[in-house]
Amino acid sequence: GAGVSQSPSNKVTEKGKDVELRCDPISGHTALYWYRQSLGQGLEFLIYFQGNSAPDKSGLPSDRFSAERTGGSVSTLTIQRTQQEDSAVYLCASSPDRGQPQHFGDGTRLSIL
Amino acid sequence: AQSVTQLDSQVPVFEEAPVELRCNYSSSVSVYLFWYVQYPNQGLQLLLKYLSGSTLVESINGFEAEFNKSQTSFHLRKPSVHISDTAEYFCAVSDFRGNTPLVFGKGTRLSVIA
Repeated sequence: GAGVSQSPSNKVTEKGKDVELRCDPISGHTALYWYRQSLGQGLEFLIYFQGNSAPDKSGLPSDRFSAERTGGSVSTLTIQRTQQEDSAVYLCASSPDRGQPQHFGDGTRLSIL
Repeated sequence: AQSVTQLDSQVPVFEEAPVELRCNYSSSVSVYLFWYVQYPNQGLQLLLKYLSGSTLVESINGFEAEFNKSQTSFHLRKPSVHISDTAEYFCAVSDFRGNTPLVFGKGTRLSVIA
């Protein structure tokens, strides 16, 4: 499809396990963003990529969270040693360049048991 | 840094009635402003945006928002809502250079009642 694609759409895992969330941005979009949406917390910015580099990692909540982007395209958000408070919907967005309107994927709903 | 306040967490309204969803922002620099809509179990979709030019912006499905710099507001309005407008609406801001990521409000849940 032509939109932002995220996988898996749902992930249930046990506390302490590592998880990887994937984002395929719209082809040609140089900017890629990760957000977390928690009940009652709204949307929380996590990290931003311009190409393969991440000029802004200020939103990552702890060192258990990391992200990478390869080939200026696919990005992976990794959460190590998951905790119950990590349960949320993780949204990815891309835009042609920074500052331009962002297009969102449908998100990955992460549930930590 | 920017911040966004959506004053109403929930807005119930009867079908065909008008609605206004309020959004106020704060910023020390000029901004871009956005409204996004999120339908159940879906990601966010851009509804409309203010980048520059006319302060009144419109979407294709009848929503409009007006940028008011003096009141630092970007309220969303629709003169007559439909059941299908039931969703969560998010106001967002970034600096006009695009140097900051979007900062979102906490969202307003619009419930249209038949």
